Amino acid sequence: RKEVEQDPGPFNVPEGATVAFNCTYSNSASQSFFWYRQDCRKEPKLLMSVYSSGNEDGRFTAQLNRASQYISLLIRDSKLSDSATYLCVAGTASKLTFGTGTRLQVTL
Amino acid sequence: EPEVTQTPSHQVTQMGQEVILRCVPISNHLYFYWYRQILGQKVEFLVSFYNNEISEKSEIFDDQFSVERPDGSNFTLKIRSTKLEDSAMYFCASSFPGQGSYEQYFGPGTRLTVT
Repeated sequence: RKEVEQDPGPFNVPEGATVAFNCTYSNSASQSFFWYRQDCRKEPKLLMSVYSSGNEDGRFTAQLNRASQYISLLIRDSKLSDSATYLCVAGTASKLTFGTGTRLQVTL
Repeated sequence: EPEVTQTPSHQVTQMGQEVILRCVPISNHLYFYWYRQILGQKVEFLVSFYNNEISEKSEIFDDQFSVERPDGSNFTLKIRSTKLEDSAMYFCASSFPGQGSYEQYFGPGTRLTVT
């Protein structure tokens, strides 16, 4: 079983749409959870941390369910600039484990 | 806004040669990391470094690899006797663990091409 598993996509959505990404992790010792964004051939950029209480940052909402080891990301009112690969990440202080990423393409 | 920097941006080397990839982490950060990403694949953890010693390393990080913090600002990854399969993007990251958060910030990467 992959340590962090997510649907590779691609998700093709029109501008203004709401899109949801999900991921599962297998290591119950994971302490921190994140969504990173990666543009083609660039470094991962931290999008947001994920907490059990939920975390919202503008159009982005992330949620963690520790019992089912499930992480989600919701993007509302998609913009063309949201087109990227979204990386689900679980980690500890000394190591991050990345999923393979979900590709999002927002179109006119 | 402070950021992680890496040099060089692109390194081409012949198989069997040694390379040193350099990173300057964010100045008040305490944890330093190296990751790699082979083209088309996921980001993979190599090693973490804290308090002047390796904190954790992956199976990939064998005797071919070493890390060093030679001074108060630089963090280096040395790859000895490079192989074709070492060709990848190498990302340095740093974090300042506090209040249970381990957010890591990544540099722009060094593209290593082994020929």
